[in-house]
Amino acid sequence: GESVGLHLPTLSVQEGDNSIINCAYSNSASDYFIWYKQESGKGPQFIIDIRSNMDKRQGQRVTVLLNKTVKHLSLQIAATQPGDSAVYFCAETEGTGFQKLVFGTGTRLLVSP
Amino acid sequence: DSGVTQTPKHLITATGQRVTLRCSPRSGDLSVYWYQQSLDQGLQFLIHYYNGEERAKGNILERFSAQQFPDLHSELNLSSLELGDSALYFCASGVTGQVEDTQYFGPGTRLTVL
Repeated sequence: GESVGLHLPTLSVQEGDNSIINCAYSNSASDYFIWYKQESGKGPQFIIDIRSNMDKRQGQRVTVLLNKTVKHLSLQIAATQPGDSAVYFCAETEGTGFQKLVFGTGTRLLVSP
Repeated sequence: DSGVTQTPKHLITATGQRVTLRCSPRSGDLSVYWYQQSLDQGLQFLIHYYNGEERAKGNILERFSAQQFPDLHSELNLSSLELGDSALYFCASGVTGQVEDTQYFGPGTRLTVL
């Protein structure tokens, strides 16, 4: 498959483990945050989002945590499966006007059976 | 399948040439966003159109231009191509273009400049 980035940080986990992917954002004015998953050879796919007035949001097997004090975002994946293997990006945008996403560098998640 | 289509899937061309990438958004979506994904720069926002009008600009070079047509499809034109323009180009579409709009990405066009 196509390589999204040769020097991405990589997280390797065993199937069934919980995974935590971290992201530091830079813009204090960012008000809305999104996690995307990109599988090899495909475009990014929306996973979950969170507004800055929240510190936690849960989806199906995924949880996003937001710490505005230290400008940190994390994505937790419960019971990780081989199909979760992909590159994960956080993205941020300011809270007004039209959306203009700034993407992080990405983390590669490798899940071993 | 996101419902966003992009053509062509692959494009190989020479330095100095001009190419046009095409994007058809999901049915009903009024917003189209363009991104460049390269190995050294990651995923970079280029430009956003909503219902035919430019709404936001990112790190788009002057050699690049885009437009959104009345039928809502969009084209990204890249001219005077350089080796460094080799990258994956994605478009995404959304309904409102506002802050909490969910973007649906197409499969991308891989551009190789030789």
